[in-house]
Amino acid sequence: EAGVVQSPRYKIIEKKQPVAFWCNPISGHNTLYWYLQNLGQGPELLIRYENEEAVDDSQLPKDRFSAERLKGVDSTLKIQPAELGDSAVYLCASSPGHWKEETQYFGPGTRLLVL
Amino acid sequence: GENVEQHPSTLSVQEGDSAVIKCTYSDSASNYFPWYKQELGKGPQLIIDIRSNVGEKKDQRIAVTLNKTAKHFSLHITETQPEDSAVYFCAASIGNNDMRFGAGTRLTVKP
Repeated sequence: EAGVVQSPRYKIIEKKQPVAFWCNPISGHNTLYWYLQNLGQGPELLIRYENEEAVDDSQLPKDRFSAERLKGVDSTLKIQPAELGDSAVYLCASSPGHWKEETQYFGPGTRLLVL
Repeated sequence: GENVEQHPSTLSVQEGDSAVIKCTYSDSASNYFPWYKQELGKGPQLIIDIRSNVGEKKDQRIAVTLNKTAKHFSLHITETQPEDSAVYFCAASIGNNDMRFGAGTRLTVKP
């Protein structure tokens, strides 16, 4: 069974440029998460989707970050415009979405460097 | 808000020795506690988890213990090997499907 797929794996951009990350969750998983991981820190939740509905986006900086999961499968996270402090690893995770407190399965992440 | 504290931040052991990583959490409603291993350039991978209805769980060289009264849980790795070297994260469930992660422990196993 394929795991969570993310692309690109690495991205280098100049500040003020836009950037987008893509995630394909494990087949059949209804819940999808985007996390931010700063160097030397644990993942921090940005947004959680149940199917196509964003049910927890309280930690998403909405002035520059946006996300979508139009058909309840793939998801895209966008930053526009990027700032130097956005340099980090952006992780996508998924879980089945059928019961409470499920195991989350992570993708390899996208490493973003903003110059 | 809810918090997960993890200690130590770095841990160095000799191959064959045991390693113990400890976490405390603040939300008394937390019921699920996974441990993840993250190798360089990769995403976190689940290695073991425990739910609040049990106090201990073991999988070969890895074990996790949970003390719900004291709100702490620990990861134990016995007979460590160089390939155990990685960053380990504990986490605690928050609400229905959210998770709060510790800051991580960088484990180095010296051959």
